[in-house]
Amino acid sequence: AQSVTQPDARVTVSEGASLQLRCKYSYSGTPYLFWYVQYPRQGLQLLLKYYSGDPVVQGVNGFEAEFIKSNSSFHLRKASVHWSDSAVYFCAVYNAGAKLTFGGGTRLTVRP
Amino acid sequence: DPKIIQKPKYLVAVTGSEKILICEQYLGHNAMYWYRQSAKKPLEFMFSYSYQKLMDNQTASSRFQPQSSKKNHLDLQITALKPDDSATYFCASSQAGTGCSDYTFGSGTRLLVI
Repeated sequence: AQSVTQPDARVTVSEGASLQLRCKYSYSGTPYLFWYVQYPRQGLQLLLKYYSGDPVVQGVNGFEAEFIKSNSSFHLRKASVHWSDSAVYFCAVYNAGAKLTFGGGTRLTVRP
Repeated sequence: DPKIIQKPKYLVAVTGSEKILICEQYLGHNAMYWYRQSAKKPLEFMFSYSYQKLMDNQTASSRFQPQSSKKNHLDLQITALKPDDSATYFCASSQAGTGCSDYTFGSGTRLLVI
């Protein structure tokens, strides 16, 4: 069965520091992978997605993610975080039947 | 302008009552979905509809019934509400057959059952 694991429920970093949020997936076949962000009391906003090709995909607001098939990972990175990046981040894999399977989310807190 | 409208944004209901959550999308998509996010569980898929027909149902309870009166509507009727139904319900849509490139979520309806 498809699954997504985000091993870090909470991450705290200082403003200006680099960031990596981890995501591991289990999927038979070629995965379509996503990162979404959820700000307080808001819906899900797409940060980036991977279908094929270059394993490093660029997203909005300076975020990028790298697909590493051998490791079944799709970690999210940002070179320098801003306080406004504080939010909950979700990794997801697209399944047959057009449904997304989400990880448990990582709550990011950026200290000023 | 929001492309997916969910109404209401917040809803308080009494245990045992019935509520309908509204979802309308203005993206021209032909597939719509419901997801649930609760304090106890991560975001989880509930239903998918394509061309107004049920494609997949991952909810264990028949108390949850999607209703598609128009091709850009997918409402969610919940009967005999329980406190465990308290969650944020997200509607989403996409264009069936094109993969997942345009999967879009609404801002959610936060339901509290007391």
